[in-house]
Amino acid sequence: QQQVKQSPQSLIVQKGGISIINCAYENTAFDYFPWYQQFPGKGPALLIAIRPDVSEKKEGRFTISFNKSAKQFSLHIMDSQPGDSATYFCAASIGNFGNEKLTFGTGTRLTIIP
Amino acid sequence: GAGVSQSPSNKVTEKGKDVELRCDPISGHTALYWYRQSLGQGLEFLIYFQGNSAPDKSGLPSDRFSAERTGGSVSTLTIQRTQQEDSAVYLCASSLPGYGYTFGSGTRLTVV
Repeated sequence: QQQVKQSPQSLIVQKGGISIINCAYENTAFDYFPWYQQFPGKGPALLIAIRPDVSEKKEGRFTISFNKSAKQFSLHIMDSQPGDSATYFCAASIGNFGNEKLTFGTGTRLTIIP
Repeated sequence: GAGVSQSPSNKVTEKGKDVELRCDPISGHTALYWYRQSLGQGLEFLIYFQGNSAPDKSGLPSDRFSAERTGGSVSTLTIQRTQQEDSAVYLCASSLPGYGYTFGSGTRLTVV
């Protein structure tokens, strides 16, 4: 049972544009929602995370928007740069200490073109 | 160490052979996880160790897969009688409360 659905599968954005990746979850017990960034040949790295008591979290050019009633959350990358080209994974867990079992989405391959 | 270390980085094995994949977590991290990433797929949970608690093995796909964590540190994932569908990148991660996962670079397993 896929509990976290991620879209789109791939995304091409022009440099300077806004990249938006969406995720939807089914399990209302989830209470921690991180995003991971993965470059080829490397393991995923934690980018930003949100807990459901807030609707938005911003760190630099990266923002998570969270809609608890719709059971959806999204990653926005402002002023996208070629160095942002990577695969992005959303995830969710029950328990919000960051050290519980994560359920991952299927990933979005982001390409930023000049 | 500075990060999570996995070995080998690449492993090619013949169908039917057993393989062992090793993970050295960050010192002091209480939780350790194994995930599998197939080409173009997301990360599939395999097993999770948390301190001295019994491991969560709910993601292991068959009884050919097993893992242990010795002394609360190093972990070994063993796949017996490998099959071609076992070909994937096996990722290990460790974590401390409040800090999220730190992943290793993975072991790319190819079963021929």
